[in-house]
Parts: sequence; C-alpha cells; structure tokens
Amino acid sequence: DTGVSQDPRHKITKRGQNVTFRCDPISEHNRLYWYRQTLGQGPEFLTYFQNEAQLEKSRLLSDRFSAERPKGSFSTLEIQRTEQGDSAMYLCASRDWGRTSSYNEQFFGPGTRLTVL
Amino acid sequence: AQRVTQPEKLLSVFKGAPVELKCNYSYSGSPELFWYVQYSRQRLQLLLRHISRESIKGFTADLNKGETSFHLKKPFAQEEDSAMYYCALSGLTGANNLFFGTGTRLTVIP
Repeated sequence: DTGVSQDPRHKITKRGQNVTFRCDPISEHNRLYWYRQTLGQGPEFLTYFQNEAQLEKSRLLSDRFSAERPKGSFSTLEIQRTEQGDSAMYLCASRDWGRTSSYNEQFFGPGTRLTVL
Repeated sequence: AQRVTQPEKLLSVFKGAPVELKCNYSYSGSPELFWYVQYSRQRLQLLLRHISRESIKGFTADLNKGETSFHLKKPFAQEEDSAMYYCALSGLTGANNLFFGTGTRLTVIP
C-alpha cells in the first residue's frame, strides 16, 4: 500500500460537461474525506464517509456534486454541469478512526487538478 | 464558527536564522491543532500536532489557549525547510474534518 491515490491527476473539461474523480484510500481506513483547494487558499472540507455511509456534507457541496463510497473502499466524486468556478484541486484524505486512537492522522492523496474552460 | 488565520502569505529567512510561522484560531470548544507541510511537488503531509507535544525536523509548536495561537518555530532554518505550511484545526467530535488556514510559503535563503 503506497498511500492514498487519486485518479486522474489532471482533468481539463469544457463548461457544462460532467466529470468524475476517484480516490483509493489506504487499506482498512474507515474514514474518507474530500476537500477542495482553490488558488491561494487552504483546503476546504466538502464531505466525508464512515465506511460506506456519507455522514456530513458542507454547504460548499452544491446539488451538482455527488460523492459515493459504495463498498466502503474507494470513493468517487462527480461534478455535473461543470462551471468555471469549479476549477480547483480536489483532495482526498483517509484515516483510521476509532479502532486504535482517536487522534489518528489524516493521510492525503496527491489531488486531482480540475480546469474548466 | 471556526477560523484559522495565518497572517503571512510569504516568509523569507536566511539559512541558520530562527523562523516563526504564526497561526491564530477561533473555535467554540477545545480543538486539536495541527501543522501540515507541502514540499514542492509532494502531497500534503502532517508535520506535527499539539497533542503529541513533540519536535519534528526541529520544529515545535505550543498551543496557547489564552492567545488562541499555535505558532510554529524552529531555531535554525535549513534550506530543505522551504515549503508551504498550513495550520489546521479539528474538532474532537463528529466529522473531525480539518479546517485550514490560507498557508504560509516559507523560503529559506542560502
């Protein structure tokens, strides 16, 4: 296991198109987080999963965004009808929550950079 | 509402000089505080957290609840410390997601 992986690393799309990103967390990590990072800002929380259950969504996650983690392993983030304001780095992180320590680290993936033309 | 403030977007110091990256926070409750670092072309990684009270790569950070600060310090900067540094906090219940500051880019001049 080489850590959290994300695919693709870069995505260029035209406004109005749909895009889907994938995140593979560290094996056995039960929590998975999605963040978005725009230029000059720190990452901002979008949503998280505990196993396959999506437990919280931030107000940044508009109706055009949907995330899934169907088997409690990998996760996908889909953006429908993309807008130029969606251009950002999308980061995924995972952690092992509750089974060993409450203070386990979040491990980040390399991110998917989305450019909407 | 939670907030993390990093007042300096850019910070340059000479090699061997002390460095301090400032972080102030606001949170209704007792958060956990972190420093994350991103080196060039690498992913975001944890540098240290207040609860472990340890020194990593010569860096330390003390949580000052009275001043709601968590400044990152190193007595002698090295060139390999040049990176983007993010201060972040997490609540102790619920999602435990991270709230990040806007980051400080540290450049260590040889």
